[in-house]
Order: sequence, then structure tokens, then C-alpha cells
Amino acid sequence: NAGVTQTPKFRVLKTGQSMTLLCAQDMNHEYMYWYRQDPGMGLRLIHYSVGEGTTAKGEVPDGYNVSRLKKQNFLLGLESAAPSQTSVYFCASSYDVGNQPQHFGDGTRLSIL
Amino acid sequence: LAKTTQPISMDSYEGQEVNITCSHNNIATNDYITWYQQFPSQGPRFIIQGYKTKVTNEVASLFIPADRKSSTLSLPRVSLSDTAVYYCLVGDMDSSYKLIFGSGTRLLVRP
Repeated sequence: NAGVTQTPKFRVLKTGQSMTLLCAQDMNHEYMYWYRQDPGMGLRLIHYSVGEGTTAKGEVPDGYNVSRLKKQNFLLGLESAAPSQTSVYFCASSYDVGNQPQHFGDGTRLSIL
Repeated sequence: LAKTTQPISMDSYEGQEVNITCSHNNIATNDYITWYQQFPSQGPRFIIQGYKTKVTNEVASLFIPADRKSSTLSLPRVSLSDTAVYYCLVGDMDSSYKLIFGSGTRLLVRP
């Protein structure tokens, strides 16, 4: 039972490069989320999705794009990476929002030089 | 935006009971309160969830007063492996989808 799987686990980019982080869940959850966590801080919501084909902005969406073409996958894209985007990125999913717990992946550690 | 407030850190000793309180003044009527635990290099892990009064499971209890403007996570008889960061999560009255984590409480359990 894989739960939430994030790919890759680590990545180093140069400023201006682009990349896509992949999140896959096998629990048939409707809701998916992308967070970032900076050292010593809590999680901040970047974007979320309430179902296949729909996405919405969270607390810190600037510099990121997302897509939810399939229910089980949620992609986070950085079109032109900046050093300020160096962080640990967590994906999560839940059956519903608010009163349903979120299930998290183990994170992608991204460094931008 | 609604926000939550937790103590930044707490220290305890093995075998003691630990209570961590979270303030959430703008909690929405239909929102639940959820607590997560996070170890280094791992994603947060669900601990317990409640709506009002008291909820208990095999690892923790959650106490919520009638006005629901705060909640207290209670960990009975902590061990060294309970050393982690604990977050409370509630909905946001301004926008129900903008879920906000608390700042987290770093719990250190000493031998």
C-alpha cells in the first residue's frame, strides 16, 4: 500500500531551469495539495486540487504551476527556478477537505543554486 | 486569514504526560481540528482529529472546549520516540480551502 509517492526525492537545479515534481496517490482521494516547508517553519500551501481537471491557488502560489490531468496524479512545475524556491516540497491527499485527514508523502528536497 | 498559535517548543521527560495547546479563534462552524506529528525528513503524520468535547485514540487525546477557539493535544506517558514537531490544522473561515497549519510545537522528550 504505497499511499502518497513523490518523485524525485532530491534535486539540484540552476537558477532559471525548469522542472516538474510528481505526486501520485493510490487511495482514490479527490483532494490533493502541494506544500513547501522552509527550515524551522511550518508547511505553507502552494496549490491544491479538489478533483481531476481542477486546481486552485493556496497561500504562496507565485512561481509555481500545477496540473491534475488524472485523479491520482498532481504535478507541481517550476518554470524558471529561483534560489528562493529552495525548500522541501510535500504533497498530500485527502478524501475531503476540512474534516478528513491529509496523507503526506515523504517530500522532495529541492536546492536551487 | 485565520491563523493558529502554538508554543514554539516544549520539553518533557519520559513517562510524563504532555499537553500542547493550539489557539484558533476563527475556526469555521463545519471545520474539524486535526493534529499532525512530523519527524525530521518525513512528511507529517495524522495523529488525531475532533470536532468538539473529547476524542481519544490509541496514541493521544484531544480536548476541545465548547467555544472551539482552542484545542489541547494530550500525549500520555511520552517516550523518546515522541520527540517531533506537532502541528494543529483547522479550516479557514475566509476561504474553506485555504488550509493553514499552525507554526508547530517542537517537543523534546528527555531520558
